[in-house]
Amino acid sequence: QVQLVQSGAEVKKPGASVKVSCKASGYTFTHFYVHWVRQAPGHGPQWMGRINPNTGDTHYARNFQGRVTMTRDTSISTAYMELSGLTSDDTAVYYCAKPTYYDLLTGYEYWGQGTLLTVSS
Amino acid sequence: QSVLTQAPSASGTPGQTVTISCSGSTSNIGGNSVTWYQQFPRTAPKLLIYRNDQRPSGVPDRFSGSKSGTFAALAISGLQSEDEGDYYCVTWDDSLSGAVFGGGTKLTVL
Repeated sequence: QVQLVQSGAEVKKPGASVKVSCKASGYTFTHFYVHWVRQAPGHGPQWMGRINPNTGDTHYARNFQGRVTMTRDTSISTAYMELSGLTSDDTAVYYCAKPTYYDLLTGYEYWGQGTLLTVSS
Repeated sequence: QSVLTQAPSASGTPGQTVTISCSGSTSNIGGNSVTWYQQFPRTAPKLLIYRNDQRPSGVPDRFSGSKSGTFAALAISGLQSEDEGDYYCVTWDDSLSGAVFGGGTKLTVL
């Protein structure tokens, strides 16, 4: 069965960077985009971008361009999302997600368990 | 301020049909398909509807989606207490070149 397992909760200071991992199993990692979505407390989800694990090609949301970097390691079927220049506004749960074959852009069929990032001085 | 507009709340009694709407523009809903998610507290969103009206396997046919112009709607028939949660619409926005979520609608089953 498809599983996305993310790294654990993080606490960072303002200005720092964080790198979250997402290990995929149960499907061919290189066949589907991996999307990253975050959700701040009391707010709706926010799309951050996606990576094509086959080519490494990335597409970031404009709100995060310049601050986010998505990478992957195909040898271990793992995607990474690194966010720099953290502020308290980045406090949120970060999810990786695998889309369905029928809707590669917004149909996120499987989700990781989420990684809570807390940014606090 | 979300690009897609949803009413913040909706409610219904068991057995009723409730409709949740999502309003956008020509750069998003008008030219792209709409996806719907259901979310319960402290859990990841669950895919409910994709490509406007398609249900993933395992989603009851009580849930149906539709789209017309720059509007989309999610209908839940035979409302049940376990349907209480948050519902989000999502689509691709060509101007922003990214996926955009609605602000969400909190459904209460009275």
